[in-house]
Amino acid sequence: DAGVIQSPRHEVTEMGQEVTLRCKPISGHNSLFWYRQTMMRGLELLIYFNNNVPIDDSGMPEDRFSAKMPNASFSTLKIQPSEPRDSAVYFCASSNQYEQYFGPGTRLTVT
Amino acid sequence: AQSVTQLDSQVPVFEEAPVELRCNYSSSVSVYLFWYVQYPNQGLQLLLKYLSGSTLVKGINGFEAEFNKSQTSFHLRKPSVHISDTAEYFCAVRYYGGSQGNLIFGKGTKLSVKP
Repeated sequence: DAGVIQSPRHEVTEMGQEVTLRCKPISGHNSLFWYRQTMMRGLELLIYFNNNVPIDDSGMPEDRFSAKMPNASFSTLKIQPSEPRDSAVYFCASSNQYEQYFGPGTRLTVT
Repeated sequence: AQSVTQLDSQVPVFEEAPVELRCNYSSSVSVYLFWYVQYPNQGLQLLLKYLSGSTLVKGINGFEAEFNKSQTSFHLRKPSVHISDTAEYFCAVRYYGGSQGNLIFGKGTKLSVKP
């Protein structure tokens, strides 16, 4: 199995631009999680889905952030408009029952 | 509220010395427990897990952890560390009845192994 796939691995954009992060979970996993990791705040859960349905989005910082899961094999996290404080590493993880499997992350830099 | 506490944010240790990274969780209800490792510029990788059965769990890279229900702890140990063990370690908990796969993570412990 290829594991959780995230793209792009690195993204540099200017403030105000739209950013879309992508995730392909492990086949057969029915839960998907988006996290943000920074030095200051550590690892934060942004949103998670079960069977493609958002269950808890209380961690999404603001309306500028949105996430979708149109099918079992694809999810996006969108930031519009982006701000410098959104600079972080964004991880996607998937789960079939107990443990989570993490992707390699997308390092986002907003200048 | 359910929570996970990793008491040590940083643990420096010399190579070949033993190490223990501490983890406590807040509730007395039944739990599933996990340790993850994050090497620099990488994602989190599962080190070991406790779901049921023996309270001593062995994981990859020579690590082990012991579940102590009465003390609500799940400390991670290794008898002799290597330079390559330098990484950040996260303890995580899922409570019985919690959403499938939804884990509560501690804030992490940075292990620094010095020669």
